[in-house]
Amino acid sequence: KAGVTQTPRYLIKTRGQQVTLSCSPISGHRSVSWYQQTPGQGLQFLFEYFSETQRNKGNFPGRFSGRQFSNSRSEMNVSTLELGDSALYLCASVGEHYEQYFGPGTRLTVT
Amino acid sequence: GEDVEQSLFLSVREGDSSVINCTYTDSSSTYLYWYKQEPGAGLQLLTYIFSNMDMKQDQRLTVLLNKKDKHLSLRIADTQTGDSAIYFCAEKNDYKLSFGAGTTVTVRA
Repeated sequence: KAGVTQTPRYLIKTRGQQVTLSCSPISGHRSVSWYQQTPGQGLQFLFEYFSETQRNKGNFPGRFSGRQFSNSRSEMNVSTLELGDSALYLCASVGEHYEQYFGPGTRLTVT
Repeated sequence: GEDVEQSLFLSVREGDSSVINCTYTDSSSTYLYWYKQEPGAGLQLLTYIFSNMDMKQDQRLTVLLNKKDKHLSLRIADTQTGDSAIYFCAEKNDYKLSFGAGTTVTVRA
């Protein structure tokens, strides 16, 4: 069974730009979660989607948004980038016991 | 509330057992998880336990759950150099996982 894929793996953007990150979950999984990981704040929940519906959202500003497609693939978007958005963005494919299988992450650097 | 706490560092000699401890606060958590993260990588799911269980064993890994004290531990038997990593415990709250800050485990020869 193929794992979780995330693209791109690395990204460098400048302040004010926007970025879109993509995630393909494990085949058959219908739920996808997104997390932000930084040295200062650790792992923080962004949002969770199930069958194209957002079921939960973390405490992030509206500049962070996401969506899920009918094939369960998911994207997240960050607009008007700030330096503090530099982080590792992790996507997880959710199993039947809510165990989450993480992808390798997208390393975003904002300059 | 949701707050998962872990000690930050653990140093262990190769071949010894490692025990990583975690406390959580949400008594309604149904599942608790252990993850491993190596440098530059994503999180690898090691094991998880349902809240109505006290113990789960999986090869070198043993998870103990004390629901009364909201205490979770992960024991790694015969610790190897490849076990050096950051270990995270997590609890399920609503439709998300809440993670601890991670315990950095260093295995010394």
